[in-house]
Amino acid sequence: EIVLTQSPGTLSLSPGERATLSCRASQSVSSSYLAWYQQKSGQAPRLLIYGASTRATGIPDRFSGSGSGTDFTLTISRLEPEDFAVYYCQQYGSSPRTFGQGTKVEI
Amino acid sequence: EVQLVESGGGLVQPGGSLRLSCAASGFTFSSNRMHWVRQAPGKGLVWVSFISSDAKTTSYADSVKGRFTISRDNAKNTLYLQMNSLRVEDMAVYYCARDGVGPTPIDYWGQGTLVTVSS
Repeated sequence: EIVLTQSPGTLSLSPGERATLSCRASQSVSSSYLAWYQQKSGQAPRLLIYGASTRATGIPDRFSGSGSGTDFTLTISRLEPEDFAVYYCQQYGSSPRTFGQGTKVEI
Repeated sequence: EVQLVESGGGLVQPGGSLRLSCAASGFTFSSNRMHWVRQAPGKGLVWVSFISSDAKTTSYADSVKGRFTISRDNAKNTLYLQMNSLRVEDMAVYYCARDGVGPTPIDYWGQGTLVTVSS
């Protein structure tokens, strides 16, 4: 099983600032099958990024993903008020699919 | 518009059973792989189970293997999760989720149904 470790656990920033979230895998993620999700309180997750760097439909270009192998990054270039949420990475290249433990982006 | 609507959650005693359903609409259900993912109160997301589009392949997290069974009825556009021998640690919001077509991850989620396991 691939273990995903996200850091930091909590990121305290202000609107307009840049957010950099990390996701590290215990072994190489096949074909960069790494996704990022956003979850706001009381809501279902929303797909942001797949294939490590491809934005999902309707996702603003302030969200970007990068990385390969075992190290992946989600960057939010300029935080908007609606971006304060919890972010999860997930690998979907091998079974069982696994999620990271999440990074909370707070004001 | 893609919609996934879960039902069947509720309060059950340890050792009991529940059957969750997920009604799908707005897409060709029989074309998509499907999953159940759960989230305990205040905790992160945990993948539970997968079923292929034709129902021939299934897989489970070790924590539920032998107790939970995933199935689907493509004629009814419905996904199921039969949960037996429930434990306190199974208490969570259970999400039905759809994979995109091809080598893509989960791209749509339902709103979830809460399963409470307590005596």
